[in-house]
Amino acid sequence: QVQLVESGGGVVQPGRSLRLSCAASGFTFSSYGMHWVRQAPGKGLEWVAVIWYDGSNKYYADSVKGRFTISRDNSKNTLYLQMNSLRAEDTAVYYCAREGDCGGDCYPIDYWGQGTLVTVSS
Amino acid sequence: QPVLTQSSSASASLGSSVKLTCTLSSGHSSYIIAWHQQQPGKAPRYLMKLEGSGSYNKGSGVPDRFSGSSSGADRYLTISNLQSEDEADYYCETWDSNTRVFGGGTKLTVL
Repeated sequence: QVQLVESGGGVVQPGRSLRLSCAASGFTFSSYGMHWVRQAPGKGLEWVAVIWYDGSNKYYADSVKGRFTISRDNSKNTLYLQMNSLRAEDTAVYYCAREGDCGGDCYPIDYWGQGTLVTVSS
Repeated sequence: QPVLTQSSSASASLGSSVKLTCTLSSGHSSYIIAWHQQQPGKAPRYLMKLEGSGSYNKGSGVPDRFSGSSSGADRYLTISNLQSEDEADYYCETWDSNTRVFGGGTKLTVL
C-alpha cells in the first residue's frame, strides 16, 4: 500500500533553515509528481510546491518562492523540502502528497502523508 | 487561476444525507476537481475526483455512502446515511498551470 512518511519538523528560530523529508513506499516513486502542502494551525490547506516525476520541473506558491526548494532523490524514494529564511507565518503542518493521474487533464492529489509540524518562533 | 468557494460550515443529523458544494470561479466551470476529507487531528484523505459532467471516481476504500455530482460551475459531494465518523472538514482541490488550488473547506457537524 502507498505510504508517505514525513520527518524533519521541529521548532526553529525566524530566519533559520530546516529541511523536511518524505519517504515513499508502496508505489513506483519515480513515476509520480509530488507535492508539499501545508496547513497553519486552525486554517485550511495551502499548496506549497510541486516537482515533476523526474525532477525536471519545479513550481512554487508565491508565498515561498525564492525561500523554499523542493527536490527528490528517486534512487532513495525520497522527497525533500529545503526551507530557508523561515518566518513565523511558515508555522504549519507540512504534508507530502502524491499527484495521481486519472487520464486526460486529471491530476488530483490521491495520497497524503501524516504530516510534520514546523514551528517558527524565537 | 481558478478560485474554489466553499461554505464554511454545514450540519446534518445522524443517518440523514448532506450535500456539500464547491463552486468554481468564472471561466473555470469545466475544471475537474477532487474532494478530500480531514477528520479531526488527522491528515487529509482523498475521496474522489469529479468532472464537470458529473462523472466521478472514488479513491480506494471510500464507502459507497459518498458520491459526487455537478451542475455548471458547482461540484457537489453527497454523503448519505451520515455516520459520526463523517464529522470532518471537507476540501475541494483543482489544478491549473502547474499550481494547485484548494477551497477554504467546509466543517461538517453530525448532530
